[in-house]
Amino acid sequence: AQKVTQAQTEISVVEKEDVTLDCVYETRDTTYYLFWYKQPPSGELVFLIRRNSFDEQNEISGRYSWNFQKSTSSFNFTITASQVVDSAVYFCALSEAQRGGKLIFGQGTELSVKP
Amino acid sequence: EPEVTQTPSHQVTQMGQEVILRCVPISNHLYFYWYRQILGQKVEFLVSFYNNEISEKSEIFDDQFSVERPDGSNFTLKIRSTKLEDSAMYFCASSPPEVPRGYTFGSGTRLTVV
Repeated sequence: AQKVTQAQTEISVVEKEDVTLDCVYETRDTTYYLFWYKQPPSGELVFLIRRNSFDEQNEISGRYSWNFQKSTSSFNFTITASQVVDSAVYFCALSEAQRGGKLIFGQGTELSVKP
Repeated sequence: EPEVTQTPSHQVTQMGQEVILRCVPISNHLYFYWYRQILGQKVEFLVSFYNNEISEKSEIFDDQFSVERPDGSNFTLKIRSTKLEDSAMYFCASSPPEVPRGYTFGSGTRLTVV
């Protein structure tokens, strides 16, 4: 069975600190996709990144970076120089490679960035 | 950029009543989904729908729930005889046929059962 674990329930940092959100996944599939979504207080799910299982290259997008390590089944997300607007719940998710495969979400990490 | 539209944004209903949550997926997408998020919890898969039939459903999606694509554009989730524990945010999503895929989520319907 597929499973996503985000062990950090809540993280609180002060603005400009770097913060890493952990995500560990379980799957028997050899091909799969990993995602990060942001859920601000307004409630919508905002897509941040998709990574397929064959692409272990780390990615940087502005203040965001992602570290995908297949050997440890982890897909961690780092925010550099955090800002108050980064305060949200962040979800890691996994999907099967088949067409129409569902998303399986982790429990989410609530990030609070204080000024 | 194309969007998934959900209506209403918030619905309050009395326990035992039937509710229909509506979604308009992106027009060239072929896969449609409903997810549920109880307040403060994770987002949970309910059902996926393809070619006018359910392709997969979770244990949560019991006989109380049904989905329909009545007119080729709308995608609806019906909850019969609502219970207090059905109170949650319900998200609709759609995805295109190609792989790799992107899932586009609607902004959600907050259902409150009183």
